[in-house]
Amino acid sequence: NAGVTQTPKFRVLKTGQSMTLLCAQDMNHEYMYWYRQDPGMGLRLIHYSVGEGTTAKGEVPDGYNVSRLKKQNFLLGLESAAPSQTSVYFCASSGRDREGTEAFFGQGTRLTVV
Amino acid sequence: GQSLEQPSEVTAVEGAIVQINCTYQTSGFYGLSWYQQHDGGAPTFLSYNALDGLEETGRFSSFLSRSDSYGYLLLQELQMKDSASYFCDKTNTGGFKTIFGAGTRLFVKA
Repeated sequence: NAGVTQTPKFRVLKTGQSMTLLCAQDMNHEYMYWYRQDPGMGLRLIHYSVGEGTTAKGEVPDGYNVSRLKKQNFLLGLESAAPSQTSVYFCASSGRDREGTEAFFGQGTRLTVV
Repeated sequence: GQSLEQPSEVTAVEGAIVQINCTYQTSGFYGLSWYQQHDGGAPTFLSYNALDGLEETGRFSSFLSRSDSYGYLLLQELQMKDSASYFCDKTNTGGFKTIFGAGTRLFVKA
């Protein structure tokens, strides 16, 4: 049971570089989310998607873009990385209505921007 | 509004009982979930309430009062391995989630 898989697990970027984080889920979930978590802090929602082809901004969307071309995949892009984007990024998915009581998380991507 | 409020830190001794509270704003509320996160790990689901009352899952229970916009996570017979961060999470009508609480750091002492 793969659940939610994030790639890569670790990455170091130079300021100004771009990259894409991939999230894949095999549970046929409608909803997918990208969060960032800074040291000692909670989870902050970057963007989310309520279905294939749809995306919405969360709490901290600036500097990030997302795409959900296929139901099982949710991509997070950093257009021009900045040191302030150094963080741990978590992807999650959940089902609709009563199935949505539990969000399943990937293992996280540790990103350092130097 | 979407915010969730929970205490930043709680300390308790092994074998004790601890309660972690969470208050939420009611706009679009469907249910309240709780997650545990150990350092370096991903959040994992513990419990969920959509109706008023207590849900019990082993040593962990969760309570919800919709009229008070309040819930709590109750941890019994605390063990050292329970030292972690605990987050409450609001599920909106339709099932999607847009906000987590900032987390409560639980320290369990011998």
